[in-house]
Amino acid sequence: EIVLTQSPDTLSLSPGERATLSCRASQSISSNHLNWYHHKPGQAPRLLLYGASSRATGIPDRFSGSGSGTDFTLTISRLEPEDFAVYYCQHYDSSLPLTFGGGTKVEIK
Amino acid sequence: QAQLEESGGGAVQPGRSLRLSCATSGFYGMHWVRQAPGKGLEWVAFIENGGGRKTYADFVKGRFTISRDNSKNTLYLEMNNLRTEDTAVYFCARDIWNRGKYYTDIWGQGTLVTVSS
Repeated sequence: EIVLTQSPDTLSLSPGERATLSCRASQSISSNHLNWYHHKPGQAPRLLLYGASSRATGIPDRFSGSGSGTDFTLTISRLEPEDFAVYYCQHYDSSLPLTFGGGTKVEIK
Repeated sequence: QAQLEESGGGAVQPGRSLRLSCATSGFYGMHWVRQAPGKGLEWVAFIENGGGRKTYADFVKGRFTISRDNSKNTLYLEMNNLRTEDTAVYFCARDIWNRGKYYTDIWGQGTLVTVSS
């Protein structure tokens, strides 16, 4: 089972700033199998990126992803008010269990 | 865009049972994922679109059963012998395979299960 470790736990930033979130896998994985989600309390988690860098339907281009092997990054180029939330990376390669990182909370500074 | 809606959550005592439902659309594999209070997301179970293949997280094996009724567009999670550590918001999520990429593209808003004496 792949273990995903996200850092930092919390990121305190102002609207308009750039956010860089990290997700590290316990062993090398295909970038095809790394996904990112955004979650606000009381709402449905929302898929942002799949295959490490492909934006899901309706996701604005301020969200981008990169990485390979064990290290992956989600970048939000300019934070909008609606972007303050918890972000999770997910590993899913058709074998189960699918696994999630512990999450990074992006909060308003 | 398709939507998912969970129902059936509530407060129960340890050792009791509860059945969750998720109104679905389309013929897709489906997952249950949960989030305990103050914790992150945790995968619970998967069922393929035809209902034949089912897979469970180790911590629910033998206690939870995932099933579906495609004629009613409904996914279920039967939870037996509930424990206090099963307290969580339970989400259903749609499974997608897209040219070698696997992900869960649509989620419901969740239903809260509280297990307490």
